Amino acid sequence: EAQVTQNPRYLITVTGKKLTVTCSQNMNHEYMSWYRQDPGLGLRQIYYSMNVEATDKGDVPEGYKVSRKEKRNFPLILESPSPNQTSLYFCASSYRATDLDTQYFGPGTRLTVL
Amino acid sequence: QKEVEQNSGPLSVPEGAIASLNCTYSDRVSQSFFWYRQYSGKSPELIMSIYSNGDKEDGRFTAQLNKASQYVSLLIRDSQPSDSATYLCAGRNSGTYKYIFGTGTRLKVLA
Repeated sequence: EAQVTQNPRYLITVTGKKLTVTCSQNMNHEYMSWYRQDPGLGLRQIYYSMNVEATDKGDVPEGYKVSRKEKRNFPLILESPSPNQTSLYFCASSYRATDLDTQYFGPGTRLTVL
Repeated sequence: QKEVEQNSGPLSVPEGAIASLNCTYSDRVSQSFFWYRQYSGKSPELIMSIYSNGDKEDGRFTAQLNKASQYVSLLIRDSQPSDSATYLCAGRNSGTYKYIFGTGTRLKVLA
């Protein structure tokens, strides 16, 4: 089944404790992206990747890191999480990033930073 | 002006009516748009994309793009209670590969 998977789905952590949220897709997509969703602010793009070893900042990259060493995986790293990073996170992928390409979203990761 | 702007709603329509969801965008957004539906607690799923001026129909859904007015809309005909969700309008930032989403419009279809 074609899908985007994220792990963990739920995470409660404490300020400053490094964490990684994994994202994997099995559709051979070149474009992958991370978003956060907050009430009243909608979906905001954190980072995106056009292909392996090609990443770029979205609108809200502060406090996050990403890497794209393999085409299928795009982990999101929070080196020192803070309470303002409490949010619902979505990973998404598409074949490319043209006007014709559909983004497929993962199921989401709900993160709480205490 | 926000790059992609939507009324947050809720928009309430009776079952069987036409629901009209609207989105405006700024000059910084490329003129191709995506409508996503998001049920509470779930991930967004694509309903339609549109990049040409005019209307595009797919079943009960019609997307309309007016580039002169910088306006894109989604019409849902014969609305059903199962259409109750938040609808997100999205475009791509001109000259980049960043996606910009509106804050979403919550639709309630009343049985």
